[in-house]
Amino acid sequence: QVQLVQSGAEVKKPGASVKVSCKASGYTFIDNYIHWVRQAPGQGLEWMGWINANSGVSKYAQSFQGRVTMTRDTIISTAYLELSRLRSDDTAVYFCARDDPEIAAALSDWGQGTLVTVSP
Amino acid sequence: IVLTQSPGTLSLSPGERATLSCRASQSIRASYLAWYQQKPGQSPRLVIYGASARATDIPDRFSGGGSGTDFTLTISRLEPEDFAVYYCQHYGASWSTFGQGTKLEIK
Repeated sequence: QVQLVQSGAEVKKPGASVKVSCKASGYTFIDNYIHWVRQAPGQGLEWMGWINANSGVSKYAQSFQGRVTMTRDTIISTAYLELSRLRSDDTAVYFCARDDPEIAAALSDWGQGTLVTVSP
Repeated sequence: IVLTQSPGTLSLSPGERATLSCRASQSIRASYLAWYQQKPGQSPRLVIYGASARATDIPDRFSGGGSGTDFTLTISRLEPEDFAVYYCQHYGASWSTFGQGTKLEIK
């Protein structure tokens, strides 16, 4: 079955960077896009962007432009999210999700989430 | 495009019918409208894609519909496990956006 397993929780200071990983299994990694979505405590879902796991091309939400980088390693079927210049309002759970072109590119499978806490 | 969900909170009893609304700020393609369910401490789960198609393992008491700017998620007879937060999502060629969510709570 499809699994997306994310790296563990992180605690960072303001101004630092964080890199979260998302290891995929159970499907052909390069056949899909990986999206990143975050959720601040008690808040809703916020889409951050996607990466084409085949080509490596990525698209980012405007609110994260200049601070976010999405990459992937096809050899180990892993996608990465790096967020720089962290602020306290970046404290959130970060999810990776696979989109499935066979179901109109909806997000069919999700990772378990990674809590990133930004605190002085 | 902004997605606005209503109501913010819906209080109903098991066995009742739930109707959740998702309104887009401009007309969108129904093909790219999805609904997700999220329970506390869990990752979101795809419920409906293409505005009206049920995802794998989603029971048939869930249905979606709508077109243009107005979309709905209907749960015909609420089961205890259906109480959760529901989000609509629209995705374009290079972007995506979520509604702010509707909390479906037990009355």
